Amino acid sequence: SAVISQKPSRDICQRGTSLTIQCQVDSQVTMMFWYRQQPGQSLTLIATANQGSEATYESGFVIDKFPISRPNLTFSTLTVSNMSPEDSSIYLCSFVPLGQETFFGQGTRLTVV
Amino acid sequence: QQPVQSPQAVILREGEDAVINCSSSKALYSVHWYRQKHGEAPVFLMILLKGGEQKGHEKISASFNEKKQQSSLYLTASQLSYSGTYFCGTVYSGAGSYQLTFGKGTKLSVIP
Repeated sequence: SAVISQKPSRDICQRGTSLTIQCQVDSQVTMMFWYRQQPGQSLTLIATANQGSEATYESGFVIDKFPISRPNLTFSTLTVSNMSPEDSSIYLCSFVPLGQETFFGQGTRLTVV
Repeated sequence: QQPVQSPQAVILREGEDAVINCSSSKALYSVHWYRQKHGEAPVFLMILLKGGEQKGHEKISASFNEKKQQSSLYLTASQLSYSGTYFCGTVYSGAGSYQLTFGKGTKLSVIP
């Protein structure tokens, strides 16, 4: 099965700072997705990261707050900018290698203090 | 629009069975089922494409009723390892991509 590596696995950050989360896939994929899971909640899609074009953001998420890069077909980053305690969540990247099953990274548990 | 999962929570004794439902008000292309344990990423269980098929994975199986836009996850002879939160994720027909919209989850607790 496909391998997806996400890092860091967890971090504790000061409010007002930024954190960049990296996601590496072992095969080339067209679309990668970034999700947020707030404590005790379900997963919510932040954006779709497409190689060679700007990310597509879902309602409630903006590029200034969650800039995304997708320099090639195996790598993507999500930055959480100007963090506040409300940003404390698990962030997950995912991709769909065969157009069906979705694979998730291990997740990044972010705590903002 | 988020699919609706039911029940929100269920407690089982080892060996008992459970059914978790996932309903959508929009036409579905596929339904994905995941289990998440506390502090871990979701783990893929199975995917069902429209067509009413049923799939199985050891003692866990699922069905997809295209007419009702509903999927059900069946857990039989539950084991302690089945404990966790189960999410259904839906891909809507005509969405143009494979982004998943998740239900709120069903917390399953299996006790000895």
